[in-house]
Amino acid sequence: GAVVSQHPSWVICKSGTSVKIECRSLDFQATTMFWYRQFPKQSLMLMATSNEGSKATYEQGVEKDKFLINHASLTLSTLTVTSAHPEDSSFYICSAERGGSNQPQHFGDGTRLSIL
Amino acid sequence: AQSVSQHNHHVILSEAASLELGCNYSYGGTVNLFWYVQYPGQHLQLLLKYFSGDPLVKGIKGFEAEFIKSKFSFNLRKPSVQWSDTAEYFCAASQAAGNKLTFGGGTRVLVKP
Repeated sequence: GAVVSQHPSWVICKSGTSVKIECRSLDFQATTMFWYRQFPKQSLMLMATSNEGSKATYEQGVEKDKFLINHASLTLSTLTVTSAHPEDSSFYICSAERGGSNQPQHFGDGTRLSIL
Repeated sequence: AQSVSQHNHHVILSEAASLELGCNYSYGGTVNLFWYVQYPGQHLQLLLKYFSGDPLVKGIKGFEAEFIKSKFSFNLRKPSVQWSDTAEYFCAASQAAGNKLTFGGGTRVLVKP
């Protein structure tokens, strides 16, 4: 149980376009979802915390208008990278957490974003 | 600021050798601690977690970790590794009252057959 699906797994697009990444919890309801960014050979850095039905909480230094997060249901959160540029190229990973206390996060497979 | 550090970036060992990966955290108050593993080409998977209680935590695939509060440490151990343990291992922590995870830098483990 506790499967998190992320789509697409890889996207290549031109500079200036917007890219939407989906994160779904397949077999549980996720009250909270998280979006991370991972640079090559580095660890995961939390970008934002997303709670269903409310605005996402962004980490310091993460541009809200650049990385739009929507958590419209208990099983789906989306991250839209708006007007993407080459420096936005990275590996984006989502995770989802069940409701209740002491629940670990379950991770998706990640999305590799390459901006030309 | 809250932080998690892992001592080794790369570890190479032979099958049947013992493994210990260091993890130290810098958090005030109560802390939840995790070890995640990422096998090549796969997503992060939870190996084990500590919330409270017995400081020696047993996880999946023969891994265990010990929470030593006085040392702010949560080291991961496995007595005898297998080639299939080749992966990257991440230590992570969160405040008990919240759920935001801070990750360590990761340790790449290569087990030679």
